[in-house]
Amino acid sequence: EIVLTQSPGTLSLSPGERATLSCRASQSVRSSYLAWYQQKPGQAPRLLIYGASSRATGIPDRFSGSGSGTDFTLTISRLEPEDFAVYYCQQYDNSPPGFTFGPGTKVDIK
Amino acid sequence: QVQLVQSGAEVKKPGASVKVSCKVSGYTLTELSIHWVRQAPGKGLEWMGGFDPEDDETIYAQKFRGRVTMTEDTSTDTAYMELSSLRSEDTAVYYCATGGYYTTRFDYWGQGALVTVSS
Repeated sequence: EIVLTQSPGTLSLSPGERATLSCRASQSVRSSYLAWYQQKPGQAPRLLIYGASSRATGIPDRFSGSGSGTDFTLTISRLEPEDFAVYYCQQYDNSPPGFTFGPGTKVDIK
Repeated sequence: QVQLVQSGAEVKKPGASVKVSCKVSGYTLTELSIHWVRQAPGKGLEWMGGFDPEDDETIYAQKFRGRVTMTEDTSTDTAYMELSSLRSEDTAVYYCATGGYYTTRFDYWGQGALVTVSS
């Protein structure tokens, strides 16, 4: 099973700053199978990025994803007040088939 | 647009079973692969299992095999997740989610159903 590790655990930043979140896999992940989600308290997760770098419908262009192999990055270019939340990476593996999530990175207000 | 509406909160005693439903609208259940993800209080997301269209079968995370059963009623476009032998560690919000039929991500989520296991 592929294990995902996210860093940092918590990122304390101010509105307007740039956020860089890391997701590292224990084995190589096909880029098309790597996604990022945002979750706010009391809400279901929301898909932000799929295929490592494609924005989901309605996601602002301040969110971008990059990476390949075992190292992936989610970047928020300029934090808006509504971006303070927890972010999870997720991968799909087809041998054997299954999904795993990273432990999450909390972006909070400094 | 896919909409997933889940059943309400449940309180169960240790050792009991719980069955959570997920009603699909906007598409039919046969056009989607429904998966289940849970989240314990203050913790991260944990995939439990779902339908694998490649092998035309339901697959389960190893942690839950033997204790979870996922079924579907295509006549009502409703998916179900039943978890048995409940223990306090199963207290969590249970989500259904999908990204289509051949899915590698989850575009759509239900609102979640809180299951509390307490004596």
